[in-house]
Amino acid sequence: QKEVEQNSGPLSVPEGAIASLNCTYSDRGSQSFFWYRQYSGKSPELIMSIYSNGDKEDGRFTAQLNKASQYVSLLIRDSQPSDSATYLCAADSNYQLIWGAGTKLIIKP
Amino acid sequence: GAGVSQSPSNKVTEKGKDVELRCDPISGHTALYWYRQSLGQGLEFLIYFQGNSAPDKSGLPSDRFSAERTGGSVSTLTIQRTQQEDSAVYLCASSLGGGPKKVETQYFGPGTRLLVL
Repeated sequence: QKEVEQNSGPLSVPEGAIASLNCTYSDRGSQSFFWYRQYSGKSPELIMSIYSNGDKEDGRFTAQLNKASQYVSLLIRDSQPSDSATYLCAADSNYQLIWGAGTKLIIKP
Repeated sequence: GAGVSQSPSNKVTEKGKDVELRCDPISGHTALYWYRQSLGQGLEFLIYFQGNSAPDKSGLPSDRFSAERTGGSVSTLTIQRTQQEDSAVYLCASSLGGGPKKVETQYFGPGTRLLVL
């Protein structure tokens, strides 16, 4: 059974600090990786996708992929209270995405 | 353009009744996914469509659950003889394409909140 593992949290970070979210995956064949944000009572929305080893930056968000270690991370710089949400990591396995259970992030003003 | 739409947004039903949930994907998206999310839990994969075909139905929790997709567009998820444990949010997502070589970004609808009394 292919798996994606995330720390459920909650992860509490002061406003303005860097939030670091981590994820590991079990399928060595995975090629596509995604970070989604889900606010309470809402559906998931895409934050970033990453396909190659290294870093990918988009505004305050940086995704990092290390295929050798089967590790994906998301960094959020200058964290804002509006970043408080559950962050879902997903990795592809064949035709579908395997989802982590999510990490709850709380940004404290 | 329009995103993924789902109806109804909320459904309250009595135990034993059948319910039908509808998903209208983004135009042009050939891949469609159904997920279930219980309160405070992660996403549970139910079924995937590529076009009108469902290559894998193994995620469906029981034979009370079925899904179909017609015309490569709208999909319906049917739950027969609903049970209280079926209460959850049912999410639909679509993506540009699918297949074993690359999974495209999935875009989610707002979900249907099902409550079985």
